[in-house]
Amino acid sequence: SQKIEQNSEALNIQEGKTATLTCNYTNYSPAYLQWYRQDPGRGPVFLLLIRENEKEKRKERLKVTFDTTLKQSLFHITASQPADSATYLCALAAFNKFYFGSGTKLNVKP
Amino acid sequence: GAGVSQSPSNKVTEKGKDVELRCDPISGHTALYWYRQSLGQGLEFLIYFQGNSAPDKSGLPSDRFSAERTGGSVSTLTIQRTQQEDSAVYLCASSRDRERAYEQYFGPGTRLTVT
Repeated sequence: SQKIEQNSEALNIQEGKTATLTCNYTNYSPAYLQWYRQDPGRGPVFLLLIRENEKEKRKERLKVTFDTTLKQSLFHITASQPADSATYLCALAAFNKFYFGSGTKLNVKP
Repeated sequence: GAGVSQSPSNKVTEKGKDVELRCDPISGHTALYWYRQSLGQGLEFLIYFQGNSAPDKSGLPSDRFSAERTGGSVSTLTIQRTQQEDSAVYLCASSRDRERAYEQYFGPGTRLTVT
C-alpha cells in the first residue's frame, strides 16, 4: 500500500524566516498531492493541491513543489508568523483510497 | 455556508457496546469520507462514498465497522462491540465532486473513548 513519510520531529523557526516541510511517498506516484493544516482539537483544513504535471504551486505565502522522480513534495511558508504554528499534513490519493502523513508540527517563535 | 458537522462531539462508551457516529456533509457535496485519527498519529482512511455508488469498504479495520450514506447526504459510521483500541477521533470530510475529489473539507470530529 501507499506510504507517506513526514518528519515527526517538530520544526522550530524564528518569525520572518521560511519554513520548509518535507513529504516523501513510496510506491505509486499520485495524480494529486495535497497539503492540509491541522490545529489541536480541530479537523484538517485544505491548503493547496498540486498535480503531477505541475512542478510548483503558490498561494500567498505558501509554495508547494512536487518532484515525481524523487517522490517528494516540499511545502514552504515564507515570512512565517506565530499564527502559522500548527501541524501540517501531506496527503495523496491512490486507487480510491486516501493516505495522510502523520504530519510535521511547526512552531514559529516571535 | 455551513461546514461539515459531526455528532456527537464526544462519546464515552463501555467496551462491548455499539456506537453510531453521524456526519452531515456540506450541502451539494457528492463525496464523503471517514477517517480515524489516534493520538499523535496521522489520519487512517476508513471509507469513501461517491454519490450513490457502492463504497469501497476495504479500508475498514474490521467487520465490526460499517458505514451507510442515506439519500446521498448524511452518513453514519457504526462500530459494533467496541474495543479499547477503537478509541480515537473519528473525522468525516466531504468534497464537491469528482473533479475536486481531493479538496476535502473536514468536520470537527467525534472523540470516541472506550472504557
